[in-house]
Amino acid sequence: GAVVSQHPSWVICKSGTSVKIECRSLDFQATTMFWYRQFPKQSLMLMATSNEGSKATYEQGVEKDKFLINHASLTLSTLTVTSAHPEDSSFYICSAIARGIYEQYFGPGTRLTVT
Amino acid sequence: QKEVEQDPGPLSVPEGAIVSLNCTYSNSAFQYFMWYRQYSRKGPELLMYTYSSGNKEDGRFTAQVDKSSKYISLFIRDSQPSDSATYLCAIRAAGNKLTFGGGTRVLVKP
Repeated sequence: GAVVSQHPSWVICKSGTSVKIECRSLDFQATTMFWYRQFPKQSLMLMATSNEGSKATYEQGVEKDKFLINHASLTLSTLTVTSAHPEDSSFYICSAIARGIYEQYFGPGTRLTVT
Repeated sequence: QKEVEQDPGPLSVPEGAIVSLNCTYSNSAFQYFMWYRQYSRKGPELLMYTYSSGNKEDGRFTAQVDKSSKYISLFIRDSQPSDSATYLCAIRAAGNKLTFGGGTRVLVKP
């Protein structure tokens, strides 16, 4: 199956700083990538959808100025959490799909802890 | 009312038993149905994908869809301790966006 990686797997940052999370499709070209957020014992909540070369589409209630998404190439999307606060601590997961394929392949997730 | 409802469990079964999981949904536009398995602190892994009513089998897993009742199921035969995980149903209409159920935690006891 298709492989999606994320880096870092775990990051701790101080309140007020920014942190960048990378999502890469390793063996296919991802025309669309998705970013999800998951709190403990809860399901995945879609934050935004990004298509290569265009601006991300954010779900209702997600602050686009706080969660910056860049999808500059067909294999890389980044999520930057700006001015992080403790309530941003969560598990962030990306997924990717290839052109004409509708199965979403998920990355292993990134655990963000804001102190 | 959530678009996709799933019993959170936990569901505890002895090794070798059949695990039965299900989701209900409200939107008739949903056409594609998936089951994912998620281990703790890992990303979801796609188990089954179907788009029509009826059964689909893959090894020990059987996915069942009843569009008339808006009800989907996943059965795991001969369950193993390694099947202990959270199982998420995910559904989508035309387009790419998935709507997830809340997930059911499953514990298979040796």
